[in-house]
Amino acid sequence: DVQMTQSPSSLSASIGDTVTITCQASQDISKFLNWYQQKPGRPPKVLISDVSNLPTGVPSRFSGSGSGTDFTLTIFNLQPEDVATYYCQQYDDLLALSFGGGTKVEIK
Amino acid sequence: EVQLVESGGGLIQPGGSLRLSCAASGFIFNMHWMHWVRQAPGKGLVWVARIDSLGRETTYADSVKGRFTISRDNARNTLYLQMNSLKDEDTAVYYCVRGVHWGQGALVTVSS
Repeated sequence: DVQMTQSPSSLSASIGDTVTITCQASQDISKFLNWYQQKPGRPPKVLISDVSNLPTGVPSRFSGSGSGTDFTLTIFNLQPEDVATYYCQQYDDLLALSFGGGTKVEIK
Repeated sequence: EVQLVESGGGLIQPGGSLRLSCAASGFIFNMHWMHWVRQAPGKGLVWVARIDSLGRETTYADSVKGRFTISRDNARNTLYLQMNSLKDEDTAVYYCVRGVHWGQGALVTVSS
């Protein structure tokens, strides 16, 4: 099974800051990585698919990069509505999806 | 629009059984693999089980293997999760997932 290691587990930043979350896979997953945003009481919502593709409606201040085993989610110009928990997910192994442990983003 | 609607959650005693359903619409159900993912209170996302498009192949997380069964009825566009021998640690919101599309979740609480 592919293990996903996400860091940090939480962070606090100011409005307007740039925030970076990293995700490392235990093996090469090529570009089969999604990022999700989850707010309390809600299901996860896809933020970025296939490493760097933003679905319609996702603000352009969100950006994804990486390939192979190392991936990054960047939030530029952090906004109050970005307070949430973020998860990476690999789907290279479709027989068993796996997720990072999550990063809780708060505003200072 | 892809819609996934879970049902069947509730409070169940340890050792009991429960069956979750997920009604799918907005896409050709029998062309897609489906997954169940769960989230314990205050915890992260954990993959539970997967089934192929025709219902012939399944895989499970070790934590539920032998206790849970994923199945589907393509004529009814419905995914199922039969949960037997439930334990306290199975308490979670269970999500039905297709690709990047998630249902709203069904809460299962295992407690005496």
